[in-house]
Amino acid sequence: GAGVSQSPSNKVTEKGKDVELRCDPISGHTALYWYRQSLGQGLEFLIYFQGNSAPDKSGLPSDRFSAERTGGSVSTLTIQRTQQEDSAVYLCASSSDRGQETQYFGPGTRLLVL
Amino acid sequence: GDSVTQMEGPVTLSEEAFLTINCTYTATGYPSLFWYVQYPGEGLQLLLKATKADDKGSNKGFEATYRKETTSFHLEKGSVQVSDSAVYFCALSESSNTGKLIFGQGTTLQVKP
Repeated sequence: GAGVSQSPSNKVTEKGKDVELRCDPISGHTALYWYRQSLGQGLEFLIYFQGNSAPDKSGLPSDRFSAERTGGSVSTLTIQRTQQEDSAVYLCASSSDRGQETQYFGPGTRLLVL
Repeated sequence: GDSVTQMEGPVTLSEEAFLTINCTYTATGYPSLFWYVQYPGEGLQLLLKATKADDKGSNKGFEATYRKETTSFHLEKGSVQVSDSAVYFCALSESSNTGKLIFGQGTTLQVKP
């Protein structure tokens, strides 16, 4: 079956612009996670969704970052007024439930802020 | 908070050599432990996992044992191949009800023919 998909695969933007990153999880997976992979910080958790609600947003680095999930499926991560330090690979993962279940990762969106 | 520490890379080995990548963790509660692998140009893939103490995860010739007494989850393979060249990440899943993963910094493995 289809895995986790993300779009776009690459995004180049200018400092100060807003960007939207999309994640389509595996069908039926109720848990969805966003992570960020950058050279300086490694792999960091950003936000967790269970269904459409986000009980853990503790990894969002600033109020310029927000995310939503609709219909218990697609999720969008929005970065407002992008900064150069936002340049990273943004990864989405889904699992059939929270807790100890295996997370399946998408290919990521590589974001470059000029 | 919870954390994962991996041995620094890069690790360079000849084909058929024995591999160990050390991983230790700090956690409250009883986390699950994972090894993920990222091949060049590809996304993160689960390699193996263990959900409780003394469990051994294994896949593709790789093994790791969940050692609660030493808070470790070292990755081993008896005979590496060139195709094993990748970045390996150790991770734990918090025992809270979110399941978010805490990753180590990653270890780059290069296997030469």
